[in-house]
Amino acid sequence: GDSVTQMEGPVTLSEEAFLTINCTYTATGYPSLFWYVQYPGEGLQLLLKATKADDKGSNKGFEATYRKETTSFHLEKGSVQVSDSAVYFCALSDPTGGFKTIFGAGTRLFVKA
Amino acid sequence: GAVVSQHPSWVICKSGTSVKIECRSLDFQATTMFWYRQFPKQSLMLMATSNEGSKATYEQGVEKDKFLINHASLTLSTLTVTSAHPEDSSFYICSARGGEGAIVGQPQHFGDGTRLSIL
Repeated sequence: GDSVTQMEGPVTLSEEAFLTINCTYTATGYPSLFWYVQYPGEGLQLLLKATKADDKGSNKGFEATYRKETTSFHLEKGSVQVSDSAVYFCALSDPTGGFKTIFGAGTRLFVKA
Repeated sequence: GAVVSQHPSWVICKSGTSVKIECRSLDFQATTMFWYRQFPKQSLMLMATSNEGSKATYEQGVEKDKFLINHASLTLSTLTVTSAHPEDSSFYICSARGGEGAIVGQPQHFGDGTRLSIL
């Protein structure tokens, strides 16, 4: 079945450092890919998405590119801030799976001042 | 747009009581709503999918009689944890998908979650 694998955390960075959180997926169909962010004690918020190969999703300085050849959707940000500290979830939605969203395990990010 | 309101945000109650959690889509019609359970520092576990006007579809291992889901309107779904026990303590999150139905690239919109503590 479909699955999402993302790098284990926690990831600890200093402010203004470069961030990469790796995400790879397996899917039977042609999925849409998402990154969600969860701040402490809250639900998930959509951060960005991409629906086809080579699409780049971007928001709030974060970006991720849909790479079909490597089945990846890595999240990047050039300069993180303390306020970016949260848990980040990579996810996919596959039409052949009834559009059910499959989430990765989540990666916790700590940004130090 | 696409706001999902979940209520209450925090519940503490005695073992054996039933607890109802509401999930409302405030500015769109949600044909499909999802209920998740999240354990500390873990990912979301899908419990059930509910479509307006029909019975919920439960994931394997989730007790239907324990976790009652009602999706009576296009803007409201409820999860009732019946005869709750300490092992039911968790963070419960609902999400909704828009009235267009399932389409490519459509994200889910999440409520802020309900922290349930059973004493």
